[in-house]
Amino acid sequence: GESVGLHLPTLSVQEGDNSIINCAYSNSASDYFIWYKQESGKGPQFIIDIRSNMDKRQGQRVTVLLNKTVKHLSLQIAATQPGDSAVYFCAESFSNFGNEKLTFGTGTRLTIIP
Amino acid sequence: KAGVTQTPRYLIKTRGQQVTLSCSPISGHRSVSWYQQTPGQGLQFLFEYFSETQRNKGNFPGRFSGRQFSNSRSEMNVSTLELGDSALYLCASSRDSDEKLFFGSGTQLSVL
Repeated sequence: GESVGLHLPTLSVQEGDNSIINCAYSNSASDYFIWYKQESGKGPQFIIDIRSNMDKRQGQRVTVLLNKTVKHLSLQIAATQPGDSAVYFCAESFSNFGNEKLTFGTGTRLTIIP
Repeated sequence: KAGVTQTPRYLIKTRGQQVTLSCSPISGHRSVSWYQQTPGQGLQFLFEYFSETQRNKGNFPGRFSGRQFSNSRSEMNVSTLELGDSALYLCASSRDSDEKLFFGSGTQLSVL
């Protein structure tokens, strides 16, 4: 069955440095991917998304890279700040005529060291 | 624009009881999805409702059910609670054909 996994459960990064969070997916039919950030006591918050017809998309301080050949997704956060400390989830879905649903990975905890 | 609102924020129940959780989606969003989140398990999809109809369902037992009202508000119900049902239950809404979900803060359910 389909699965979305993460390479590292925890990641610590010095404030100001760049961070990279990785995600592997197994469903080659997936055509839509999202990164979410979840802070303690809150629900997941949308960060950035990408469709399978793209391999890179940039937002404010964040970049998502998609490598369909190896079914790999990554989230790059530039110049990390203390507020970036959170759990980050990748999620995937595939178009299924109105039955799309997101499948989430288990999450990576990012800790920014002051 | 108000976000997704979930009530109650915290709930404590005992085994065997039942519980109803409520979710108000973002105005204009007709799709509501429910997820269960437990430590180490990530987010697991429960079900999705669109225009008062269940459109998608995850792999949870029949004790978990839901419904959606004409104003898109949704409720989920868990009957005969078990200890393992302790979790954060998240509701998310989206526009008609948009996979991007907007989540509420969740209801933290503790079953004793």
